[in-house]
Amino acid sequence: DAGITQSPRHKVTETGTPVTLRCHQTENHRYMYWYRQDPGHGLRLIHYSYGVKDTDKGEVSDGYSVSRSKTEDFLLTLESATSSQTSVYFCAIRQGDYNSPLHFGNGTRLTVT
Amino acid sequence: DQQVKQNSPSLSVQEGRISILNCDYTNSMFDYFLWYKKYPAEGPTFLISISSIKDKNEDGRFTVFLNKSAKHLSLHIVPSQPGDSAVYFCAAVPNTGTASKLTFGTGTRLQVTL
Repeated sequence: DAGITQSPRHKVTETGTPVTLRCHQTENHRYMYWYRQDPGHGLRLIHYSYGVKDTDKGEVSDGYSVSRSKTEDFLLTLESATSSQTSVYFCAIRQGDYNSPLHFGNGTRLTVT
Repeated sequence: DQQVKQNSPSLSVQEGRISILNCDYTNSMFDYFLWYKKYPAEGPTFLISISSIKDKNEDGRFTVFLNKSAKHLSLHIVPSQPGDSAVYFCAAVPNTGTASKLTFGTGTRLQVTL
C-alpha cells in the first residue's frame, strides 16, 4: 500500500462550477502527479509536482490548475468544469529515485453534466 | 500524436496458455519502459519494467522483452491465470529530466478464460 488517498471517489457536478480533487500521501514523497484516464487515450499527465510549491504542466494541462502547500497534499482544481473534463482522475507518487515506478491511488470518477 | 501505441484493444487467452501483449513507441528519447495492470475501480498497479540497456527482464510468470531497433516491447505471461484478467498499460519514460513523466499507451484488455 503506497499510502495514497484520493477524495472524493465520485463526484457529479454541473458545467461551469469549480471542482477540487484532493490527493493525500502519508509517506512524504517529493514527486506527485495527476493523470486522467479516458477511453482510447490511456492515462495522460495533467500536472506534476516536485516539491512544496513546485509544480509543472503535463500534456493536457489546459483547464486545470494545481497546488501543493504541504508535502502530503496535491490538489487538482478545475476552475470552471466542462463536459470534456468528465473522466477518471488518478493521483500518483514516485517512491524512489529517477526511474522508480509510480504508484497510483484508486482514482476519482468525475462527471460533468 | 500517440507516442506509445498498443494496437490490440483486447486479447482472450485460455488459462494455462501464454499471453503476449505488445507495445510500440515512436520517441527515440524513451529509455525506460514499464507495464501496469489495472482492475476495474482501482488504480494501475506496477507490474514490471525494463531499461533500454537490457533486452529482457523476468519476474516470475512475467517477462518483458525490448527490441530497441524496432521500437517494440512485449509482455509475456506464462502460464496465464484467471486473476490476470485486467487492462494492461505499457508506459515509457524519456531520458531527459528527472521528473519520471510516464507516457502511457491506450491499454489492452486481457481476458483469461477457463
